[in-house]
Amino acid sequence: KNEVEQSPQNLTAQEGEFITINCSYSVGISALHWLQQHPGGGIVSLFMLSSGKKKHGRLIATINIQEKHSSLHITASHPRDSAVYICASPPTGANSKLTFGKGITLSVRP
Amino acid sequence: NAGVMQNPRHLVRRRGQEARLRCSPVKGHSHVYWYRQLPEEGLKFMVYLQKENIIDESGMPKERFSAEFPKEGPSILRIQQVVRGDSAAYFCASSPSDRGNSPLHFGNGTRLTVT
Repeated sequence: KNEVEQSPQNLTAQEGEFITINCSYSVGISALHWLQQHPGGGIVSLFMLSSGKKKHGRLIATINIQEKHSSLHITASHPRDSAVYICASPPTGANSKLTFGKGITLSVRP
Repeated sequence: NAGVMQNPRHLVRRRGQEARLRCSPVKGHSHVYWYRQLPEEGLKFMVYLQKENIIDESGMPKERFSAEFPKEGPSILRIQQVVRGDSAAYFCASSPSDRGNSPLHFGNGTRLTVT
């Protein structure tokens, strides 16, 4: 059974800080998804990555397949980055078997 | 291109009523997934459908819940005789393929409140 663990559970940062959110999974995967959910809002897919690193604006996602670990970095954080960040992995290589982490609640103070 | 459209955004039902949640996938996507998010909990898989077929419903309660994805029209998640424990956010996602490296597009969800 695939388990997806995220840390820390809650995170508070000051505007401008560099933020790192971690995700560990127990079963080898084909790709890992990072999702963002604003309070009461929908879910936005930020990244899907299977190796190395991806960058989009101030967001950077990295993955280490051997260590079964991924990180999401936010540079120059802003209050609008305040949201829940969820990682999810499909252990059997099928999206229908996605296992989700519980999510990290990030609050960025101005 | 429109993303995944879910409606209604909010739905209030009394105990015992029926709830119908709709999901229109991204144009061209034939794979639809439904997830439930209970308060303070993570997303849980409910059902996976392709056009006109239920492929995997292992995450869906066997009673009162049903899902369909007809040849024409949106996918429907139907909850009969709702109970308070059904109150949750229900999200739909679509993908062009079920492969794990295929992108997933999520909708804004339907927040169901059972009074």
